[in-house]
Amino acid sequence: RKEVEQDPGPFNVPEGATVAFNCTYSNSASQSFFWYRQDCRKEPKLLMSVYSSGNEDGRFTAQLNRASQYISLLIRDSKLSDSATYLCVVNNPSNTGKLIFGQGTTLQVKP
Amino acid sequence: DTAVSQTPKYLVTQMGNDKSIKCEQNLGHDTMYWYKQDSKKFLKIMFSYNNKELIINETVPNRFSPKSPDKAHLNLHINSLELGDSAVYFCASSQGWGARETQYFGPGTRLLVL
Repeated sequence: RKEVEQDPGPFNVPEGATVAFNCTYSNSASQSFFWYRQDCRKEPKLLMSVYSSGNEDGRFTAQLNRASQYISLLIRDSKLSDSATYLCVVNNPSNTGKLIFGQGTTLQVKP
Repeated sequence: DTAVSQTPKYLVTQMGNDKSIKCEQNLGHDTMYWYKQDSKKFLKIMFSYNNKELIINETVPNRFSPKSPDKAHLNLHINSLELGDSAVYFCASSQGWGARETQYFGPGTRLLVL
């Protein structure tokens, strides 16, 4: 089993749609969770951290379910500029500063 | 005013050559990293330095050798390049070393070995 698993997609959605991505992680002792965004041929950038209570940043909502070892990202009212690859990231609990990246889920928002 | 910069941006070379990639950050961060992103888009940590001390050394061939002359620089030297080394190499930095640190990535170096 991969340490961090994501559906690579692509997810093709119309502008204005709501889309959700899921991610599972294998190590129950992981403590930190993030979503990074990577545009085509660019570097990854932090989108948001994921907290146990769930957190929201504008149109983006992240949720963490520790019992199921599952992280989600919800994007409401999708914009063309949301088209990118979304990377689920989890820390390695035996080496806390080491991040493990999922393969990423590609989102294409169409006009 | 680039935060994390890498040179060169593109590198095309022949098998067997030796090449270096340079990375510099002007954020005043203590920790720097090298990642490799392969053709399947998996981003994997290779090395990390904290205050010039090596703290992560993943299972990579010893043809890869990082060097950190100071906290703001982390270079990657690759000997005897092989076809499988073709990938995008990202440098990153973070304020400190820990589970909640945000990592800031450079623009990447696209290496193609022919």
